[in-house]
Amino acid sequence: SQQGEEDPQALSIQEGENATMNCSYKTSINNLQWYRQNSGRGLVHLILIRSNEREKHSGRLRVTLDTSKKSSSLLITASRAADTASYFCATDVYGNNRLAFGKGNQVVVIP
Amino acid sequence: EAGVAQSPRYKIIEKRQSVAFWCNPISGHATLYWYQQILGQGPKLLIQFQNNGVVDDSQLPKDRFSAERLKGVDSTLKIQPAKLEDSAVYLCASSPGLAGVRGELFFGEGSRLTVL
Repeated sequence: SQQGEEDPQALSIQEGENATMNCSYKTSINNLQWYRQNSGRGLVHLILIRSNEREKHSGRLRVTLDTSKKSSSLLITASRAADTASYFCATDVYGNNRLAFGKGNQVVVIP
Repeated sequence: EAGVAQSPRYKIIEKRQSVAFWCNPISGHATLYWYQQILGQGPKLLIQFQNNGVVDDSQLPKDRFSAERLKGVDSTLKIQPAKLEDSAVYLCASSPGLAGVRGELFFGEGSRLTVL
């Protein structure tokens, strides 16, 4: 099944810096979504970008999608300690009812 | 609006025992999902219901796992008998969409299972 792969797997940054994560996938998609998971909690939806969109913003989040390279990036600007979490990309594969998740990126923001 | 409710939050059992997890989705959401998340990995879909019908259970280990969604609302996921490798967090999610996955999923807090 389709599964996004995030890169890098772990990221440690200082508060105020920007954090960038990448996700690659293998087949055609309807949309790509990013989720956040705090330790011991469920996943929270952050942003959805459709296959015909190239960039989307939501607050301090910026997502890009390059369907020719089958990749997406998530940028968190001016990071805060509360942004410490695992971030997952998930692909809604064209012709498939399943939303497939990648392995996740662990981000630690140091105050 | 109330979120997705799951119980129990934690469960410890011996291998070969059985366990059941319960999920109450957001009111009005037609689609319900059970995901398994092993430590350090992303969630893996086990089963997806649309109302009370199964849409996708291709990754459900049917020899030991079963799930039902009676009346198209609450759902129960059962494991019998449990194996050590079933230790994971079982996440329930729901979405309003009827036609597969086109929008966001709303997740519960998860049920953490430890099999000894």
